[in-house]
Amino acid sequence: NAGVTQTPKFRVLKTGQSMTLLCAQDMNHEYMYWYRQDPGMGLRLIHYSVGEGTTAKGEVPDGYNVSRLKKQNFLLGLESAAPSQTSVYFCATRTGSYEQYFGPGTRLTVT
Amino acid sequence: DQQVKQNSPSLSVQEGRISILNCDYTNSMFDYFLWYKKYPAEGPTFLISISSIKDKNEDGRFTVFLNKSAKHLSLHIVPSQPGDSAVYFCAPRGGGSEKLVFGKGTKLTVNP
Repeated sequence: NAGVTQTPKFRVLKTGQSMTLLCAQDMNHEYMYWYRQDPGMGLRLIHYSVGEGTTAKGEVPDGYNVSRLKKQNFLLGLESAAPSQTSVYFCATRTGSYEQYFGPGTRLTVT
Repeated sequence: DQQVKQNSPSLSVQEGRISILNCDYTNSMFDYFLWYKKYPAEGPTFLISISSIKDKNEDGRFTVFLNKSAKHLSLHIVPSQPGDSAVYFCAPRGGGSEKLVFGKGTKLTVNP
């Protein structure tokens, strides 16, 4: 039972390149979330999903797109990476209770 | 504007003593409050929570207190252990919202 996994763990991109971060969960949770964490900051919500086929914007959605084609996967896309998107990205899931379960994170550097 | 403030970026305590981490909020619609713990290079892990209808919740060495009139909550760790050294985030849930709002965190260091 892996819980929440994120792929890749690390990535370096050049400005303007694109990439997709994958979040996978085996807990059958309905809700999934993408956050970013920057130094000295709390986690800020980028996008989230309340179920398969649905997505919604969070606090900082600009420059990102998401898709939830399968219940167990939540993808975060950067179409044209910018240095301001250098961050650590966390995926989280939750079921009916309020607690969210987080993945180990993806450290992204955009040069 | 910050809805959730953890005004102490860091806190250092001796092993065996009490650690008190504070969190202030402005949004009166918050109805559920969670604390997360985060070690370096790992994702946050859920620690303890409290509903707005309660003023205290206890789980082993961890107790969370909620003062709704002051819009303040605190996390008490007794006794503190070196393994408790981590960053602690306060994360309220907006009433009826799917979302948590995270504070900036307090880095706790427990010295042996």
